[in-house]
Amino acid sequence: GIQVEQSPPDLILQEGANSTLRCNFSDSVNNLQWFHQNPWGQLINLFYIPSGTKQNGRLSATTVATERYSLLYISSSQTTDSGVYFCAVERSNSGYALNFGKGTSLLVTP
Amino acid sequence: EPEVTQTPSHQVTQMGQEVILRCVPISNHLYFYWYRQILGQKVEFLVSFYNNEISEKSEIFDDQFSVERPDGSNFTLKIRSTKLEDSAMYFCASSVRARSRAFFGQGTRLTVV
Repeated sequence: GIQVEQSPPDLILQEGANSTLRCNFSDSVNNLQWFHQNPWGQLINLFYIPSGTKQNGRLSATTVATERYSLLYISSSQTTDSGVYFCAVERSNSGYALNFGKGTSLLVTP
Repeated sequence: EPEVTQTPSHQVTQMGQEVILRCVPISNHLYFYWYRQILGQKVEFLVSFYNNEISEKSEIFDDQFSVERPDGSNFTLKIRSTKLEDSAMYFCASSVRARSRAFFGQGTRLTVV
């Protein structure tokens, strides 16, 4: 199956700092999504971004499908940004399954 | 904003018992999914469902698992005879079409004792 690797695995930031999370994938994809799992376990969909760049407030994401990676940018981080960020992809010409990476665990300290 | 709702939020069951996890997908969505997350691990795909039939399933989704859309709003996951290793957070998700943004419910934490 398709491999999804996220880096870094863990990240500690002070409030106000910026960060970049990376997702590499091993095959061509037609579906890539970023999720935030908050400390209560809920999975929040941040972006559907199989290619290109999108922005939503302090968050933005870029996927370069031809080079098989995606980046999630968090600017001016807040303590509420803490949690685990997952990248999930669906391989082109496959079915409907999202394959999740292991995630980046982010802790934002005051 | 519409959301996917799951019940119960927590369930404790004895090994060998049957459990049914319930989900109400977003009303205009046509594709439904179940995923699970064992504590501390990544989220794993179980099954996708469209047009009243399974469209894809993973190796995890063996004969002990089944899904059903009993009416126009509910989507259920049944585990016939639970094992200890079935303990996990189970997430229901839905999307308006294939290969589009998936919205997840808050999860049901299943503990098998």
